[in-house]
Amino acid sequence: EAGVAQSPRYKIIEKRQSVAFWCNPISGHATLYWYQQILGQGPKLLIQFQNNGVVDDSQLPKDRFSAERLKGVDSTLKIQPAKLEDSAVYLCASSYGRQYKSDTQYFGPGTRLTVL
Amino acid sequence: QKEVEQNSGPLSVPEGAIASLNCTYSDRGSQSFFWYRQYSGKSPELIMFIYSNGDKEDGRFTAQLNKASQYVSLLIRDSQPSDSATYLCAAKDSNDYKLSFGAGTTVTVRA
Repeated sequence: EAGVAQSPRYKIIEKRQSVAFWCNPISGHATLYWYQQILGQGPKLLIQFQNNGVVDDSQLPKDRFSAERLKGVDSTLKIQPAKLEDSAVYLCASSYGRQYKSDTQYFGPGTRLTVL
Repeated sequence: QKEVEQNSGPLSVPEGAIASLNCTYSDRGSQSFFWYRQYSGKSPELIMFIYSNGDKEDGRFTAQLNKASQYVSLLIRDSQPSDSATYLCAAKDSNDYKLSFGAGTTVTVRA
């Protein structure tokens, strides 16, 4: 079974530029998550999709971050304009999304973003 | 705010010893708990989950849950140098099913 795919793996941009990340979840997984992980911290949820609808985006800085999941499969996360504090690893995860205690999230390899 | 607390470490153990990692959570509504391993520069990978009080064993790993004390632990038996990583504890909310992660405990296994 193929895992969660993400691209690019690394991105270096200057502040105020824009950047986009792409994620393809595990086949059959209805729920897709975007996390931000700053060095030395645990992942922080930015946005959660169930199929192509947003379940939770309470932690997404909406003045600069946007995300979409068209057709309920692939997703893109965009930052515009980027700030220095956006330097982090952006992780995409997916799960079946069933309301079970054991529903497990599986992570992609992540995109390491450096904002100069 | 739902908090998951872990000792940041580093926890250094000799090869072959037992590594014991602890995690506490603030939300009594948390229903299940996940342990992820994260190697430096890599993404988190699932080790195991637990949602019933008591112990759950999977190979060299044992997770322990005590809901009354709001405490979860992970034991790594016969620690190997390949176990050197950061271990993330996560709690799943019973209402919205979101995961809240701790900051992780870094484990170093000395050969």
